[in-house]
Amino acid sequence: EAQVTQNPRYLITVTGKKLTVTCSQNMNHEYMSWYRQDPGLGLRQIYYSMNVEVTDKGDVPEGYKVSRKEKRNFPLILESPSPNQTSLYFCASSLGRDYNEQFFGPGTRLTVL
Amino acid sequence: DAKTTQPNSMESNEEEPVHLPCNHSTISGTDYIHWYRQLPSQGPEYVIHGLTSNVNNRMASLAIAEDRKSSTLILHRATLRDAAVYYCILRDLETSYDKVIFGPGTSLSVIP
Repeated sequence: EAQVTQNPRYLITVTGKKLTVTCSQNMNHEYMSWYRQDPGLGLRQIYYSMNVEVTDKGDVPEGYKVSRKEKRNFPLILESPSPNQTSLYFCASSLGRDYNEQFFGPGTRLTVL
Repeated sequence: DAKTTQPNSMESNEEEPVHLPCNHSTISGTDYIHWYRQLPSQGPEYVIHGLTSNVNNRMASLAIAEDRKSSTLILHRATLRDAAVYYCILRDLETSYDKVIFGPGTSLSVIP
């Protein structure tokens, strides 16, 4: 089944403890992206990657890192999480940046205490 | 950056058509208009997109104003499964960078 998977789906952690949220797609998509969703703010793009080894900042990149060493994976790294990063995170992918349909993962709910 | 405005919420009766409006008065000539929806407890799902002409697919229709400053997503017969938050976004596919901004969207309720 074609899909975008995220792990973990739920995570409660403490301030300053490094964490990684993984994202993987099995559709051979070139483009991948991370969003965070907060009440009243809609979804905001954190980082995106047009292809392997190519990443760039989205609207709200502060406090996050990403890497794209292989096509299928696009992990989101929080080196030193803070409570304002408590949010619902979505990973998405598409065939390429010029393809309009993005496929979204199921989301990761992160709580930073 | 071009932005969109949508009503916070709308209601529709089941099996009736629904027209979801979106205003994007600062749209540029190369901005594509996209619609996504998000069902409860799920990630967003692509619905439809267009540039200048009206578009139809199996899920919905997209009507784009002649001046492109507004658009309307049309669900021809609302079902209970269509209850979701609908997002109208603009995306310029001709820039060297990518910026995707989802606003708060319109929460659609479908009344049986």
